[in-house]
Formats: sequence, C-alpha cells, structure tokens
Amino acid sequence: AQTVTQSQPEMSVQEAETVTLSCTYDTSESDYYLFWYKQPPSRQMILVIRQEAYKQQNATENRFSVNFQKAAKSFSLKISDSQLGDAAMYFCAYRSARSAGTALIFGKGTTLSVSS
Amino acid sequence: GAVVSQHPSRVICKSGTSVKIECRSLDFQATTMFWYRQFPKQSLMLMATSNEGSKATYEQGVEKDKFLINHASLTLSTLTVTSAHPEDSSFYICSARSQLNYNEQFFGPGTRLTVL
Repeated sequence: AQTVTQSQPEMSVQEAETVTLSCTYDTSESDYYLFWYKQPPSRQMILVIRQEAYKQQNATENRFSVNFQKAAKSFSLKISDSQLGDAAMYFCAYRSARSAGTALIFGKGTTLSVSS
Repeated sequence: GAVVSQHPSRVICKSGTSVKIECRSLDFQATTMFWYRQFPKQSLMLMATSNEGSKATYEQGVEKDKFLINHASLTLSTLTVTSAHPEDSSFYICSARSQLNYNEQFFGPGTRLTVL
C-alpha cells in the first residue's frame, strides 16, 4: 500500500522569506501523481500544485515550486516570498495513475504559520 | 474552476438519529466521488469511493451499514450517518472527479457534524 509521510507537524516563516515543506512517499508503482493541497482555517481544500511522476521537470505555480526526486521518493514544496495568506495546513497527497477511480492518499499535514 | 457544494455545512443532532449529507457537483459531471473524514488538526481519512450507479467501496474499518453512501446521479452523492453517536462527530468532506478530466479532483467545503 502507498503511504505519504510529512515529518514536520509545524513550520513557521517570516513574511517575504522562503520555506520548504517536506514530503516523502512510498510506492511500488511507476506511474502516479503527487499533489500539495492547502487547507486554510475555512477548511476548504485548495490545490496548490500537481506533479506527474513521468515528468522530470519540477512543477511551478507562481511562488510555489516543488523539488521532485523520484528515486528518493521525495516531493518537497517551496514557498517563496511568503505572505500572511499562506498560513494554513498543507497536505502532501499521492494518487495512483492505475485507474480513474483511485483516491488521493494524504499525509498527516504540516501547519504553516507566517509572521509579519 | 469547478464547484462542489455540500449541504448542510453544519448539523447538530441527537444521539441515535440519522443525518444525511449531500454532495453536489454544480457545473460538471462526476463519475467518481469520495468521502473523507477529518478530525481537528488531523489529516483527511478516506471513508469510501462511490461511482455513479454502483455500490460504494468502503475503506477498511469503515462500517458500511453505519455510513450509507448513495451516488444516484452524476452530480449527486449522499452520505447518511445512521444511528449517530458522539464519536461520529467530525468534519466530513466530499470530493468529486470530473468525468471529462479525471486528473482534476474538486473538494466540497465540508460538513461539521456534532452529535449530542
């Protein structure tokens, strides 16, 4: 079975600084997707970034980028120029590409606080 | 982006009663919907996967007779918590995957259930 591990329960960063959230996963599959989701206090899940395992190039979305190391099964999220609105719980998630019906498997999450 | 709604957003009920939570995809057809449960400051735990017109697939440890899931149409799935008890109090989140693009998965805003 696939597992997702986030080893940092809490992280903090100052406004305008950069922070990296860690995520490792375990799978025997070669084709899959990885995601970072943000859950603010409203608890609405928001997709931050997605990475297809077959792509070597790291995904980037504005201030958010990932460092995808397939051999090491590592998928970290870097947030640049942190803003107060980035404060939230961040979840790393895995999804098999085996079929359209496979569910997202989430890590335990990292609570990010941003100070001014 | 696509919108998933949940109703009600909050519900308080007495122990022993049943509660129904609706999940609707408002502007797309969802072949697959997922139900998650989330305790405070914890991750999302997959409860079940439902495909339109067929029986839901429940995760290990989730009582299918207690958590009844119906996915009667491509835009509606319901979760009924039967004979609710205080330990069923939690935040329930549904998620829907588009029929046209199964790489996209959209989350509802969640339902907070409190059982007295």
